[in-house]
Amino acid sequence: AQRVTQPEKLLSVFKGAPVELKCNYSYSGSPELFWYVQYSRQRLQLLLRHISRESIKGFTADLNKGETSFHLKKPFAQEEDSAMYYCALSLSGGYNKLIFGAGTRLAVHP
Amino acid sequence: KAGVTQTPRYLIKTRGQQVTLSCSPISGHRSVSWYQQTPGQGLQFLFEYFSETQRNKGNFPGRFSGRQFSNSRSEMNVSTLELGDSALYLCASSLEGTERKLFFGSGTQLSVL
Repeated sequence: AQRVTQPEKLLSVFKGAPVELKCNYSYSGSPELFWYVQYSRQRLQLLLRHISRESIKGFTADLNKGETSFHLKKPFAQEEDSAMYYCALSLSGGYNKLIFGAGTRLAVHP
Repeated sequence: KAGVTQTPRYLIKTRGQQVTLSCSPISGHRSVSWYQQTPGQGLQFLFEYFSETQRNKGNFPGRFSGRQFSNSRSEMNVSTLELGDSALYLCASSLEGTERKLFFGSGTQLSVL
């Protein structure tokens, strides 16, 4: 079955430290991976997509099909990065059906 | 542009009742998806509508249904409510062709007593 695993419920770092939020997926087809973020009292919003290979707010993520991973990274965390991060998988032909991971709460301390 | 609007924001119902939730997508968006969010199961896909047709469905019982109108507004209905239906119901709209960039609403918090 298709699945997205985010092994950490909480990741706590200090400002300026590197951040890596882990995401592994299970899918035998051709996946599309996304990271969505929810800041405090805000709506869930798209952070980045693997297909666009862009860097948003200093975050990057590379799809590793061999390891079935899509980890989110940022070299220097900022306090404003504190939020809930969700990794999501879209299946081939799945239109807007996304399979979400359980989410990781990132807490960046001053 | 106004964002995705969901009404009502909060709902309290009792077991056995039915409920209808509403979602107005961003102007020009023709796809509307619904997700259920609970502490135990996280975010789970319910269904998606595009041009008034359901084109994808998640693994939920038939008590969960939806529809989309010609103006792309969508409603979802839950009949014979159960305690386990208590959740945040999120609606998301998308402009077709933008590779699954979903714009989410604030959600409707449903409590079943």
